[in-house]
Amino acid sequence: QQQVKQSPQSLIVQKGGISIINCAYENTAFDYFPWYQQFPGKGPALLIAIRPDVSEKKEGRFTISFNKSAKQFSLHIMDSQPGDSATYFCAASYYTGGFKTIFGAGTRLFVKA
Amino acid sequence: DVKVTQSSRYLVKRTGEKVFLECVQDMDHENMFWYRQDPGLGLRLIYFSYDVKMKEKGDIPEGYSVSREKKERFSLILESASTNQTSMYLCASSSYRVANTEAFFGQGTRLTVV
Repeated sequence: QQQVKQSPQSLIVQKGGISIINCAYENTAFDYFPWYQQFPGKGPALLIAIRPDVSEKKEGRFTISFNKSAKQFSLHIMDSQPGDSATYFCAASYYTGGFKTIFGAGTRLFVKA
Repeated sequence: DVKVTQSSRYLVKRTGEKVFLECVQDMDHENMFWYRQDPGLGLRLIYFSYDVKMKEKGDIPEGYSVSREKKERFSLILESASTNQTSMYLCASSSYRVANTEAFFGQGTRLTVV
């Protein structure tokens, strides 16, 4: 029930294309859904996040779509660029004394020039 | 510039050794976390702490312990290192007090147990 299932495991997209990464969860106690981006040799860094009271959030080329009834959320990267090549983690957080975050398995994105 | 600093980027230890991984944050965050990252498994929570001297087990605590004597420092201890603990270890911190629960990560420690 605490899992966050992420797909695909890896993704290759042509420059200028749309990258789509999907996540699903079971625990309805989750109330914060961030996406993290990790470049090689670095720790993950927050990219964009959404709360379950909205269905979509857009920041530049990055959009989160959230479907509360289906317990699914996805990251869309529009006009994908080679510099977007990284590992992306979806996550879900809930409060349990402190805020606990559960991460998906990650998606390695490669954008071909 | 906010910072989470892990004491080592790379460590090589022998099986059976006691290993200490140190993490320090300068953001006055209440929450601190230790994750391990393995290919195909994502980030798995080992332990977290939401206050000094407080700790909670995560999803994979076996073989690990933690110590938080000061707010800014969170240590991960491998009591007797084993080869299956070879991994990337990531420390993170976040604020308890604000609605945005963004976690800030260190650069990671790649531990090899031989």
